Amino acid sequence: DTEVTQTPKHLVMGMTNKKSLKCEQHMGHRAMYWYKQKAKKPPELMFVYSYEKLSINESVPSRFSPECPNSSLLNLHLHALQPEDSALYLCASSLRRDYEQYFGPGTRLTVT
Amino acid sequence: SQKIEQNSEALNIQEGKTATLTCNYTNYSPAYLQWYRQDPGRGPVFLLLIRENEKEKRKERLKVTFDTTLKQSLFHITASQPADSATYLCALYDYKLSFGAGTTVTVRA
Repeated sequence: DTEVTQTPKHLVMGMTNKKSLKCEQHMGHRAMYWYKQKAKKPPELMFVYSYEKLSINESVPSRFSPECPNSSLLNLHLHALQPEDSALYLCASSLRRDYEQYFGPGTRLTVT
Repeated sequence: SQKIEQNSEALNIQEGKTATLTCNYTNYSPAYLQWYRQDPGRGPVFLLLIRENEKEKRKERLKVTFDTTLKQSLFHITASQPADSATYLCALYDYKLSFGAGTTVTVRA
């Protein structure tokens, strides 16, 4: 299995909602990532987990809360988001942090 | 932190020709540099990695060069096809992977 899966594909949420994005990989990768991508911009790193521990938080607002329940799963919990948080949220994994990354198809998030 | 510049926002090319994309960086040379392809609305796909002690790397119709003196990588798509139309991202790793803005390639039949 050489893919990263993400659910849901699309999500529309109000500013008072709580939702979660999910990511899964079964490649035995020990590093997992969340990126945010706005239209016509490159992916922007949000969080890095290495061996299931949070190793990088790129000063992301607390309304985004990551979780790594085990080495195959990564969640991103969303609460009280703003319309400017609407974007494509990408999950990625790599064997180690300094290896090439494999990206999922992304979740298209719209905050109304 | 590194600044990464991909010199062209868009590149239009005739089918069968070679597309050449440029990635320049400031500051120190990274241990390696990566190239990714991204189609609209999809996640990036890893293409090639080149290390600082490698001058050139090839994969099928793709070729990457890395010049640490010029602080530059060139990415070539030879015998280009309409299916090669996509955005190509250069990425450097220091403590994290940082992406350039990308070059959108359109191959005309």
